Amino acid sequence: QVQLVQSGAEVKKPGASVKVSCKASGYTFIAYYMHWVRQAPGQGLEWMGIINPSSGGTSYAQKFQGRVTMTRDTSTDTIYMDLSSLRSEDTAVYYCARDVSPGSTLAGRYWGQGTLVTVSS
Amino acid sequence: DIVMTQSPDSLAVSLGERATINCKSSQSVLYSSNNKNYLAWYQQKPGQPPKLLIYWASTRESGVPDRFSGSGSATDFTLTISSLQAEDVAVYYCQQYYTTSSLTFGGGTKVEIK
Repeated sequence: QVQLVQSGAEVKKPGASVKVSCKASGYTFIAYYMHWVRQAPGQGLEWMGIINPSSGGTSYAQKFQGRVTMTRDTSTDTIYMDLSSLRSEDTAVYYCARDVSPGSTLAGRYWGQGTLVTVSS
Repeated sequence: DIVMTQSPDSLAVSLGERATINCKSSQSVLYSSNNKNYLAWYQQKPGQPPKLLIYWASTRESGVPDRFSGSGSATDFTLTISSLQAEDVAVYYCQQYYTTSSLTFGGGTKVEIK
C-alpha cells in the first residue's frame, strides 16, 4: 500500500532554515509527481509547489520562490522541502502528497501525516 | 494566480439532509481541448491530512460514498452531500489544477450538524 512518512516536528528560530523529508513506499517513486502543501494553525490549505521525482524538475508557488527548494533522492525514494529565512508566519503543518495520475499534476491522492514546523524566538 | 472562492464559510445541516458547498474560480478551469474541468474537492477532519473526494469536478475517488457528488463547469462548481452523516463533519476545500505551475485552494467550508 502507498505510504508517505514525513520527518518529525521542528522548532526553529526566525531567520533559520528547515528541511522536511517525505519517504515514499508502495509504488514506483519516479512515476508520480509530489506536492508540498502547508496549513497554518486554524487556517486553510496552501499549495507550495511540486517536484517531478523522475527528473527533479520543480515548480514553486510564486509566494515561496527564492525561499523554497524541493529535491529528491531516488536511491531512498524520498523527497525534501527546504524553506529558508523562516518567520513566524511560516509556523504551520507541512504535508507532502502524491498525485493522482502518473506524470500529471492534478490533485493529492495520498498524503503524509504532516510535519509541524514552529518558528519562534 | 486563479483565485478560488468558496461559500458559505460554514453551514449547519441536520442529519440526513442535503449539504451544498459552492466554489467559484476567478477564471475558467475548463480545458477546451479535452472538455475537462480541472477541479478537485477534499475533505479534512481535525488533526488529519486532507482526503481527496472528487477530481475532474465530478469523478468520485475510489471508496468515497456516493452521497458525495461534484458538479459544475468553467467557473462555478458545487459539492453536494445528499444525506449528511455524522462522519461527514469536516472542512471541505476545492482546488484548481488548471494552472499546473500554480495550484490554488479555496478558503474552505466547515460543515457541522444542526
